[in-house]
Amino acid sequence: DTEVTQTPKHLVMGMTNKKSLKCEQHMGHRAMYWYKQKAKKPPELMFVYSYEKLSINESVPSRFSPECPNSSLLNLHLHALQPEDSALYLCASSQGYAAGGISSYEQYFGPGTRLTVT
Amino acid sequence: GESVGLHLPTLSVQEGDNSIINCAYSNSASDYFIWYKQESGKGPQFIIDIRSNMDKRQGQRVTVLLNKTVKHLSLQIAATQPGDSAVYFCFPGNFNKFYFGSGTKLNVKP
Repeated sequence: DTEVTQTPKHLVMGMTNKKSLKCEQHMGHRAMYWYKQKAKKPPELMFVYSYEKLSINESVPSRFSPECPNSSLLNLHLHALQPEDSALYLCASSQGYAAGGISSYEQYFGPGTRLTVT
Repeated sequence: GESVGLHLPTLSVQEGDNSIINCAYSNSASDYFIWYKQESGKGPQFIIDIRSNMDKRQGQRVTVLLNKTVKHLSLQIAATQPGDSAVYFCFPGNFNKFYFGSGTKLNVKP
């Protein structure tokens, strides 16, 4: 199984709502990532988890709150978002993080959640 | 900050021709390089990678060339097919840097 799954595929939420994005992988990967991608732009890194611990936070606003309950799951909790937060949110996983060997750097991406904030 | 750019934001090629997609990067500490392909409505998909101690690596119909002297990376696709139509991103990485290039859209004309 080389798949990263993300739910939901689409999400529309108001600025006062609280919602969560979910990501799951069963490849035994120990690093998981959240990216944000605006239309016609490259993905931008938000968070990196390594061995279920937050390793990188790219100065993301606190209205985005990541959580890694176990090695297979990654959540992104959303609260009080702004319309400019509308984007495609991508989850990825990799074998390791700075674990040495190029194969550990290859990231497997999910299809993303298309988020619209109204 | 990181600067990763591409020479050609959009590339149109005839089916069967070879395609070359370029990427310039600025971080001399980058020690591995990955090319990703992103089709419409999908997440990026790994194509090929190369380590900084190599200058060329070949896969199936794809070749990646690395010139560290001028900080330039290219992806060559042989006999381009309609299924190759997508946006291609380079990804020069190192220990804790995860930046994608700005992307090149490849259009394959039948």
